[in-house]
Amino acid sequence: NAGVTQTPKFRILKIGQSMTLQCTQDMNHNYMYWYRQDPGMGLKLIYYSVGAGITDKGEVPNGYNVSRSTTEDFPLRLELAAPSQTSVYFCASERGGMNTEAFFGQGTRLTVV
Amino acid sequence: DQQVKQNSPSLSVQEGRISILNCDYTNSMFDYFLWYKKYPAEGPTFLISISSIKDKNEDGRFTVFLNKSAKHLSLHIVPSQPGDSAVYFCAASGRGLAGTASKLTFGTGTRLQVTL
Repeated sequence: NAGVTQTPKFRILKIGQSMTLQCTQDMNHNYMYWYRQDPGMGLKLIYYSVGAGITDKGEVPNGYNVSRSTTEDFPLRLELAAPSQTSVYFCASERGGMNTEAFFGQGTRLTVV
Repeated sequence: DQQVKQNSPSLSVQEGRISILNCDYTNSMFDYFLWYKKYPAEGPTFLISISSIKDKNEDGRFTVFLNKSAKHLSLHIVPSQPGDSAVYFCAASGRGLAGTASKLTFGTGTRLQVTL
């Protein structure tokens, strides 16, 4: 059972480049999330989705876009990479309902130079 | 504004002793609290949770206590083992009704080292 899979694991981008962080889950979860973790900080919510076709902003959405065309996939798009987007990005999924927990992927470490 | 605070960045405990990790929150709308464990280069893994209608939840060596009036929760690990060495994150959500997204708010983490 793969759970939540993120690709790539590592990436170095130049300022102004764009990229898509991929996330897929095989648990048929309705809810999916993107978080970022900066050094010494907790995870902060970027975007989330409650089902295919439905997305909404989290706490730190600026500079990012998402889409949810299927239940399984929730890609995160960076259009114009900036050094402030250097971080570790975690995708998570959750079944939904009362008192459920989110399952996280391994993370993508992104450096913008 | 840090709504979930873990004021101890690190904690060192001897193997076999109790580890107590603390977490404070400020948002009264939080109704569900979780602890996640994180090893280097891995994603957080769920450890234990507690609903605001309870004051204690136990799962094997792990117990979480919630004091709503003080807006404080703690994670107890007894006995501590070397494999417990990791970063522990406290997280909270104000989900309310079923069917809404959890949108977790995380603390900054406490690095636990269990020594031999």
